[in-house]
Amino acid sequence: AQSVTQPDIHITVSEGASLELRCNYSYGATPYLFWYVQSPGQGLQLLLKYFSGDTLVQGIKGFEAEFKRSQSSFNLRKPSVHWSDAAEYFCAVGARAAGNKLTFGGGTRVLVKP
Amino acid sequence: DVKVTQSSRYLVKRTGEKVFLECVQDMDHENMFWYRQDPGLGLRLIYFSYDVKMKEKGDIPEGYSVSREKKERFSLILESASTNQTSMYLCASSSLSGSLYEQYFGPGTRLTVT
Repeated sequence: AQSVTQPDIHITVSEGASLELRCNYSYGATPYLFWYVQSPGQGLQLLLKYFSGDTLVQGIKGFEAEFKRSQSSFNLRKPSVHWSDAAEYFCAVGARAAGNKLTFGGGTRVLVKP
Repeated sequence: DVKVTQSSRYLVKRTGEKVFLECVQDMDHENMFWYRQDPGLGLRLIYFSYDVKMKEKGDIPEGYSVSREKKERFSLILESASTNQTSMYLCASSSLSGSLYEQYFGPGTRLTVT
């Protein structure tokens, strides 16, 4: 069975500083990986996804993520954080063997200091 | 624009009541999902459906049932609400022919059972 771990429950970052959110997955075959963001009171919005090919993936809102098979990781990064990036971020993994289901991590809540 | 709507943003019910949460998508998606979201636990899959009148249990189906009579509508039913079902409920949909596994989410229903 696939699983996803987001080791950081909360992260506080200053506006303009860089941000990196960690995601580790467990799955035997090639996974499909996603990052979603949830702003306060909202549903989840897809930031980016990895299916195959280039391991560095660009997403919306200036985010990028890098797939590292050897480390079973898919970390999310942003070079300069804006106050509007304060939200909860979820990493998710899907796989052909699991049909169309996704497994989500526990989430990382990002606070942005002015 | 892709749209998933949920019938209520906030709902307060009493223990033992029968509760219906409705979800509608306008994208002609085949797959629909119900999740509950709790702090630190991320999203956990309750039930999903691949087609009209078809349903499959997710990871935490106990205490819930679902109904999908039309392709665009997926209902979550709490037969006898209990306080431990107080949570945020998120509906999502995805397409078999589109970008595989990418799920589109509704805004969520925050249910409080007293």
